[in-house]
Amino acid sequence: DAKTTQPPSMDCAEGRAANLPCNHSTISGNEYVYWYRQIHSQGPQYIIHGLKNNETNEMASLIITEDRKSSTLILPHATLRDTAVYYCIVRSPSGFQKLVFGTGTRLLVSP
Amino acid sequence: KAGVTQTPRYLIKTRGQQVTLSCSPISGHRSVSWYQQTPGQGLQFLFEYFSETQRNKGNFPGRFSGRQFSNSRSEMNVSTLELGDSALYLCASSLGQGGANYGYTFGSGTRLTVV
Repeated sequence: DAKTTQPPSMDCAEGRAANLPCNHSTISGNEYVYWYRQIHSQGPQYIIHGLKNNETNEMASLIITEDRKSSTLILPHATLRDTAVYYCIVRSPSGFQKLVFGTGTRLLVSP
Repeated sequence: KAGVTQTPRYLIKTRGQQVTLSCSPISGHRSVSWYQQTPGQGLQFLFEYFSETQRNKGNFPGRFSGRQFSNSRSEMNVSTLELGDSALYLCASSLGQGGANYGYTFGSGTRLTVV
């Protein structure tokens, strides 16, 4: 079972920031938070991951609360191409832990 | 650089047949994982290979098997196909062991239809 909870859907206007929340209250000390997204008919795409510090890359920013029980993925300037299902995954980076995909958040970016 | 390549893209098989799907990872990636995606069950982990050895296995029947070759290319096989095996089969590769610090790169998948 997925160890994360996400809203099933969200809307965002093009050009605005999209803030996608994720709850992971049972996260363990060595587990990271990973975000992937899946655009229709394509394979999932890795976005970003983090342990406890905020992370930023060319795609997005990841904000993790101090208690690590929740996080937010931020797409600073959403475009129509960001319309996708976004998955938040909690996982240990060691060994060969599988990715457990929940139902994700379906983000719809509108003009 | 070339991404993860899965062949074929589409496949139609009859119940009872077997099928082999192929995955070529990104050059230099040694970890290859397989996932099944269906509308009802979502994305489900099948297995992961690293250095030609299966490192983890999901909760699928023994009809589902896989292997990895010395060049890191991987195949998965499904024997005695059932209608419920109709799905999008996704392959993912990673530079590090188990996708630890680099994430996984997924292919576009093979859509299998069993009739």
